[in-house]
Amino acid sequence: NAGVTQTPKFRVLKTGQSMTLLCAQDMNHEYMYWYRQDPGMGLRLIHYSVGEGTTAKGEVPDGYNVSRLKKQNFLLGLESAAPSQTSVYFCASSMTGGLYEQYFGPGTRLTVT
Amino acid sequence: RKEVEQDPGPFNVPEGATVAFNCTYSNSASQSFFWYRQDCRKEPKLLMSVYSSGNEDGRFTAQLNRASQYISLLIRDSKLSDSATYLCVVNPSGYIFGTGTRLKVLA
Repeated sequence: NAGVTQTPKFRVLKTGQSMTLLCAQDMNHEYMYWYRQDPGMGLRLIHYSVGEGTTAKGEVPDGYNVSRLKKQNFLLGLESAAPSQTSVYFCASSMTGGLYEQYFGPGTRLTVT
Repeated sequence: RKEVEQDPGPFNVPEGATVAFNCTYSNSASQSFFWYRQDCRKEPKLLMSVYSSGNEDGRFTAQLNRASQYISLLIRDSKLSDSATYLCVVNPSGYIFGTGTRLKVLA
């Protein structure tokens, strides 16, 4: 079991470029999440999904899009990167919401110059 | 008032000490509670869930006080390897993370 994996681990983008972050889980979890973590801000939810084909906005969705075409994958897209999107991005999954713990991927460190 | 609040620390304690962290939450409808550990530049990992009756896992004890709306984490006999940031997570209708408490255990 690999758990939750994320690619890439590191990326540097120029302002205005686009990219997609990939998250994959092999635990057959229904729920998946994308967070960003900035110093002093804690983890903030960007988007989440409660099942294949579904997505929903979290606390800080602006500038990001997501897709969940397959149950095991959750993609986070930045269409036109901005320096304010420099952050560490974590993907997580859980069996369902609520009572079950989340499992996190190792993170993607993104710098936008 | 923030939904979940933690003292950011850092808490600097000598090896072998006992240290306790509190985490307060504002939503009385919260149903599940967790403590996660996060090492520098790594992902959060579940330390323990927090149950209504309190629970213990080795040197770690978690408590829930619904009346005062806080959860606590007690670490006994601190080890150097316990140095990390401890995040509390509260779930009223989605996972709400605290900003974390930094612990440094000193030799």
